Amino acid sequence: DSGVTQTPKHLITATGQRVTLRCSPRSGDLSVYWYQQSLDQGLQFLIQYYNGEERAKGNILERFSAQQFPDLHSELNLSSLELGDSALYFCASSDAGGSYNEQFFGPGTRLTVL
Amino acid sequence: AQKITQTQPGMFVQEKEAVTLDCTYDTSDPSYGLFWYKQPSSGEMIFLIYQGSYDQQNATEGRYSLNFQKARKSANLVISASQLGDSAMYFCAMRVVGGATNKLIFGTGTLLAVQP
Repeated sequence: DSGVTQTPKHLITATGQRVTLRCSPRSGDLSVYWYQQSLDQGLQFLIQYYNGEERAKGNILERFSAQQFPDLHSELNLSSLELGDSALYFCASSDAGGSYNEQFFGPGTRLTVL
Repeated sequence: AQKITQTQPGMFVQEKEAVTLDCTYDTSDPSYGLFWYKQPSSGEMIFLIYQGSYDQQNATEGRYSLNFQKARKSANLVISASQLGDSAMYFCAMRVVGGATNKLIFGTGTLLAVQP
């Protein structure tokens, strides 16, 4: 158990809908990262938050947005869903003061868009 | 541009034998870290081993060792005495130290099947 929690574990929805994925980082970790794992794109970085502020953006679509709340949990919002958004979405957290900033991954949320 | 390349889509290994999973990387930054993660069929990402660009010794963690050849820009994972439970997808990843983010860049992975 990495200490990172993600809910829900599975999500099935229809095209055009909006969903929210939730992540709670390990206790004390200030950084939260979101990654998408799909068959055609592989594992790719979406966005990073550090202590409530957006730190970096990767290949995140404009239909997607995220935020990190004062209690450090984070939410990834996916809207106007398309079939191609079906993927495993991981949240990871790290301690900025760690020796090598290992990222601890949550169990992932598997999103299926029908 | 930073990139991780894993050229072996899949590999077989006999139980109790050693296996090497290849990883090459590309970066112009002098300070970086290299990671290996295991992803079993259940989907979670499990951290295995880390190598820093300035580390003098190759990293080892139990049955896992990282064969780090800086001049060749390779960071191969060696699993000794393979077990059936080692069957999984293995990802090599790189983190560039410094800058605004510690994001990881992943390779495409290698699917390892351990045969009895």
